[in-house]
Amino acid sequence: DAGVIQSPRHEVTEMGQEVTLRCKPISGHDYLFWYRQTMMRGLELLIYFNNNVPIDDSGMPEDRFSAKMPNASFSTLKIQPSEPRDSAVYFCASSLAPSNEQFFGPGTRLTVL
Amino acid sequence: GENVEQHPSTLSVQEGDSAVIKCTYSDSASNYFPWYKQELGKGPQLIIDIRSNVGEKKDQRIAVTLNKTAKHFSLHITETQPEDSAVYFCAASESNYKLTFGKGTLLTVNP
Repeated sequence: DAGVIQSPRHEVTEMGQEVTLRCKPISGHDYLFWYRQTMMRGLELLIYFNNNVPIDDSGMPEDRFSAKMPNASFSTLKIQPSEPRDSAVYFCASSLAPSNEQFFGPGTRLTVL
Repeated sequence: GENVEQHPSTLSVQEGDSAVIKCTYSDSASNYFPWYKQELGKGPQLIIDIRSNVGEKKDQRIAVTLNKTAKHFSLHITETQPEDSAVYFCAASESNYKLTFGKGTLLTVNP
């Protein structure tokens, strides 16, 4: 397996634009997680899905953020409208079960100008 | 919610020396404590984990100890090598899925 795949790897956009980050989990993994990493706040869990259903979105910072998982092999994290403070590295991770190892993707580095 | 403190934030050692990174957590209900290694430009990768029913776990040059009474756990790396240079994160979880991470330790192993 190729591991967790994320795209794009880098995204530079202007304030107010819509940004969509994409993730393909490891095949067979029922759990998918979205994290944000910044120098100030470290790694934070934004939302997680179980069998394509959002279970806990308490980490989503505000209504500008939304996440979907239309099928078992694809998830998106959307920011609309984007703001400079959204600049961070966004990671997607997947696991077989909640108590199992979480496998992280390479991340998307987002810069909002 | 859970709060995880990690120290030191940077650590520099000579090749062959040992490195120790320490974490404390606040939620006594936490029962799962993984350690992740993050290399530049990559996502975190699990290197070892420990559950609350175990006090120590070892995997070759890496070991983790857990003191539930004091609510702290530590990562020990022996015989460090240059390829051990990376950022290391500890985490704690009481629900197995919701990991709360420490702020990370930048480990530099000097040849």
